[in-house]
Amino acid sequence: NAGVTQTPKFRVLKTGQSMTLLCAQDMNHEYMYWYRQDPGMGLRLIHYSVGEGTTAKGEVPDGYNVSRLKKQNFLLGLESAAPSQTSVYFCASSYFPRADSYNEQFFGPGTRLTVL
Amino acid sequence: KQEVTQIPAALSVPEGENLVLNCSFTDSAIYNLQWFRQDPGKGLTSLLLIQSSQREQTSGRLNASLDKSSGRSTLYIAASQPGDSATYLCALLYHVPYKYIFGTGTRLKVLA
Repeated sequence: NAGVTQTPKFRVLKTGQSMTLLCAQDMNHEYMYWYRQDPGMGLRLIHYSVGEGTTAKGEVPDGYNVSRLKKQNFLLGLESAAPSQTSVYFCASSYFPRADSYNEQFFGPGTRLTVL
Repeated sequence: KQEVTQIPAALSVPEGENLVLNCSFTDSAIYNLQWFRQDPGKGLTSLLLIQSSQREQTSGRLNASLDKSSGRSTLYIAASQPGDSATYLCALLYHVPYKYIFGTGTRLKVLA
């Protein structure tokens, strides 16, 4: 099993350009998440999905859109990139969380994005 | 507000030392707490997960404890090695509202 994979691994954009980050998981997880990681800020949740066809806003959703057309894929889009979106983006997935269950979250390797 | 704090932000120790990393949280209504390791430029690797009803978990030289009454978790590393050098993050899964909240991490350096 590949676990959680992300493409691309690195990308450089100019201000105003658009791009899509792809996350795929092969563990049949219901939940998928997109985070960004910035120095001194820790990981912050951008958007998440609780199942195919559903999305929800996280802590820092502005400037991003997401889609989950298939259970195994979760796409993160930047319509008009800004320098403030320079960051490392992580995708994660998990089963539906339940009380007293092993609600482990699995992470992809990350995408390092620079917006000039 | 649900906040997670990790102190110290950085730690440097000689090889062989036993050490404790701390994670403090303000809201104890959690499903579970997960400790991760992150190497420079890499993703997050899960180390240990403690369910809300548990007090501790152990894996090899690692032991994680959870005390919800005091809002604290500790990650104990025995006989530290240079290969343990990394950033250690704790993350809490809350169910009201549902979300993971991460600490900012402790950057550990073990000197040979």
